[in-house]
Amino acid sequence: GQNIDQPTEMTATEGAIVQINCTYQTSGFNGLFWYQQHAGEAPTFLSYNVLDGLEEKGRFSSFLSRSKGYSYLLLKELQMKDSASYLCAVMDSNYQLIWGAGTKLIIKP
Amino acid sequence: GAVVSQHPSRVICKSGTSVKIECRSLDFQATTMFWYRQFPKKSLMLMATSNEGSKATYEQGVEKDKFLINHASLTLSTLTVTSAHPEDSSFYICSAKGQSLAETQYFGPGTRLLVL
Repeated sequence: GQNIDQPTEMTATEGAIVQINCTYQTSGFNGLFWYQQHAGEAPTFLSYNVLDGLEEKGRFSSFLSRSKGYSYLLLKELQMKDSASYLCAVMDSNYQLIWGAGTKLIIKP
Repeated sequence: GAVVSQHPSRVICKSGTSVKIECRSLDFQATTMFWYRQFPKKSLMLMATSNEGSKATYEQGVEKDKFLINHASLTLSTLTVTSAHPEDSSFYICSAKGQSLAETQYFGPGTRLLVL
């Protein structure tokens, strides 16, 4: 079966760095997406990785290793507004998105 | 980035009535649109996938006669919850992507439905 694993919840301190991991087992791979979802709102797109390596976009970076079935989202200089759920999703061989359950990130002052 | 709108943002209705939710891609042509529902503190659940001009593909366990989906143009899809009941109360979110199969899905802001 297809499976996406990410931690349920993480806590970090304002100004610090946090890494949210995602491992996956899917039938085929056509890219991995990270979305941010604030409570009560719809998800917003953060990043897309299809090749191995690190993609940097401001305070957020996303890394992919296809051989290990592994990705992480790195958030630097954490701000209170970064408190949200972070969703990992993998596009399989049928171009269907397989969603992780999300990681709830709590930022403390 | 691509913009997707959804209307209404909130709706309260009586049990037994039908509710229509619209999803529009504002600055791109959405070949494919997706409808999700999400219960509080739960994961997104894909309900159906619709391609412009063809019938929607429903996920297992989703009643197609209950949740009518129409994708009549490249910028508009509608979800109609027919004969709504309190258990249909949820957060309904649409997303859209363009022609390329690997394109990013962009989400609408969601519609919060409360059935009394």
